[in-house]
Amino acid sequence: DVKVTQSSRYLVKRTGEKVFLECVQDMDHENMFWYRQDPGLGLRLIYFSYDVKMKEKGDIPEGYSVSREKKERFSLILESASTNQTSMYLCASSLKGETSPLHFGNGTRLTVT
Amino acid sequence: GQNIDQPTEMTATEGAIVQINCTYQTSGFNGLFWYQQHAGEAPTFLSYNVLDGLEEKGRFSSFLSRSKGYSYLLLKELQMKDSASYLCAVKDSNYQLIWGAGTKLIIKP
Repeated sequence: DVKVTQSSRYLVKRTGEKVFLECVQDMDHENMFWYRQDPGLGLRLIYFSYDVKMKEKGDIPEGYSVSREKKERFSLILESASTNQTSMYLCASSLKGETSPLHFGNGTRLTVT
Repeated sequence: GQNIDQPTEMTATEGAIVQINCTYQTSGFNGLFWYQQHAGEAPTFLSYNVLDGLEEKGRFSSFLSRSKGYSYLLLKELQMKDSASYLCAVKDSNYQLIWGAGTKLIIKP
């Protein structure tokens, strides 16, 4: 079974802080993704990566950056947290291939005060 | 723009059948996914359709009509544990996933 592990379940940060969200998958998946999930909206893609050291902007990359130094780990960085970044953050991974489903972590609920 | 529409919330009775609809308008089509998400948990993959027709998987079935931009998820013999949100997502011409907002399904005894 694929396991996608997000380092924190809940985080509370102050406005302006730099925030790191970590995600590790154990199934050698090539693709990794960061989404945010807000009530009443579909999942929105922040960044994704198809390989080590590669990254691509998703639909809402502003205010975020990512790092993928190792295949199994994909980090999301909030350079200077703001209250409108309060959300549920979901990491996902998948094999290459258009039919490959996403495997999600349990999410990190981030509150920025 | 690209759009996925699903009902916000549905209620059904334990043991019954429920159909959750999803309509989409996307730039191109490269498959449609259904995921289940229990409250506070990760979404989990349920089904994938790329050709028209019905795909059956135990109590769950998923149907696709590409000409109508329409899919549904059919859940039979409903159980309390089926209470969850059901997310519809379409891969567009760039193979990017476009997500619906999800349908919250409430099962009553």
